[in-house]
Amino acid sequence: DAGITQSPRYKITETGRQVTLMCHQTWSHSYMFWYRQDLGHGLRLIYYSAAADITDKGEVPDGYVVSRSKTENFPLTLESATRSQTSVYFCASSLTRPADSNQPQHFGDGTRLSIL
Amino acid sequence: GQNIDQPTEMTATEGAIVQINCTYQTSGFNGLFWYQQHAGEAPTFLSYNVLDGLEEKGRFSSFLSRSKGYSYLLLKELQMKDSASYLCAVIAYNQGGKLIFGQGTELSVKP
Repeated sequence: DAGITQSPRYKITETGRQVTLMCHQTWSHSYMFWYRQDLGHGLRLIYYSAAADITDKGEVPDGYVVSRSKTENFPLTLESATRSQTSVYFCASSLTRPADSNQPQHFGDGTRLSIL
Repeated sequence: GQNIDQPTEMTATEGAIVQINCTYQTSGFNGLFWYQQHAGEAPTFLSYNVLDGLEEKGRFSSFLSRSKGYSYLLLKELQMKDSASYLCAVIAYNQGGKLIFGQGTELSVKP
């Protein structure tokens, strides 16, 4: 039972480069989320998706692009990386929208991204 | 808007009881989650409260008062492995039902 997996676990890149973080879940959950976690800010929502081909912005979407062509995959792309995007990125999934039930979000192990 | 407050750090002794508080101000409340996050790992689900009162789950209990915008997580019989960050997250219904996370409380359990 793989659950939810993120790749890569660690990534170092340079400013201006494009980088894609991958997220894959095996539960057939409808909802998927991308968060970033920074000291002093906690977890902040970047984008989320309610189903394949349905995505919406979260709290901090600028500089990021997402897609969801298949239910199980939700990649996050930094089109032109900046130092301020150095962070730990977590992908999560849930069966339903948080407001609709007590179904928790399940998190991947995170990607530690450093932008030099 | 929404605001969630938790203490930044707490220290407690092995075998003791500790209470981690969370206060929130949201426009449209629809439930509160507590997550545990060990250093370098993913957050994992601990509890969910949507009605006032206490939910008990083994050594961990969570309490909610919607009228006061207040929740706490109670950890009993503390163990060293309970050293972790504890995240309070509120469902903001008027924000599309998304989870809004507090900054987390770093708990250190000492022998």
